[in-house]
Amino acid sequence: GDSVTQMEGPVTLSEEAFLTINCTYTATGYPSLFWYVQYPGEGLQLLLKATKADDKGSNKGFEATYRKETTSFHLEKGSVQVSDSAVYFCALRRSSASKIIFGSGTRLSIRP
Amino acid sequence: KAGVTQTPRYLIKTRGQQVTLSCSPISGHRSVSWYQQTPGQGLQFLFEYFSETQRNKGNFPGRFSGRQFSNSRSEMNVSTLELGDSALYLCASRPGGTTSSTDTQYFGPGTRLTVL
Repeated sequence: GDSVTQMEGPVTLSEEAFLTINCTYTATGYPSLFWYVQYPGEGLQLLLKATKADDKGSNKGFEATYRKETTSFHLEKGSVQVSDSAVYFCALRRSSASKIIFGSGTRLSIRP
Repeated sequence: KAGVTQTPRYLIKTRGQQVTLSCSPISGHRSVSWYQQTPGQGLQFLFEYFSETQRNKGNFPGRFSGRQFSNSRSEMNVSTLELGDSALYLCASRPGGTTSSTDTQYFGPGTRLTVL
């Protein structure tokens, strides 16, 4: 069945460091891919998405490129801030289904 | 435009009781989905409702049920609560109408259920 695998956390970085959170997926067809972020005590917020191969999603300095050949959708940011501390979820949804399948989440902590 | 609202935000119940959680979608959204989030199992899909009909269902026992009203508001019910039902229950809404993969889901803040 469909699945999403993302790197284990927690990830701890210093402010202004470069961030990569790896995400790979298994799915038939051409799913849409998403990154969601969850701040402490809150629900999920859509961070960015990509709906077809080679699409790049971007928002708030975060980017991820839909790589069909490597079935990956890695999240990157050039310079992280303390306010980026949160849990990040990679997710997919197949075009023929409506449910979202989430990865296990990666907790990110940024030190000032 | 107001976001997805969920009530109550926190709930404490004891084993064997039942509970009802409520979700009000974004105005104009007709699809509501429910997810359970636990530290051990992560985020798992419960069910989706569209125009008062259940359109998809996840792999949960029959103790978990839901419904949607004509104004798109949704409720989920859990009967005969077990300790393992302690979780954050998230509701998400989207315009709906199709299962297009470009339809973005917007999540509410969740209801934190604790079963003692």
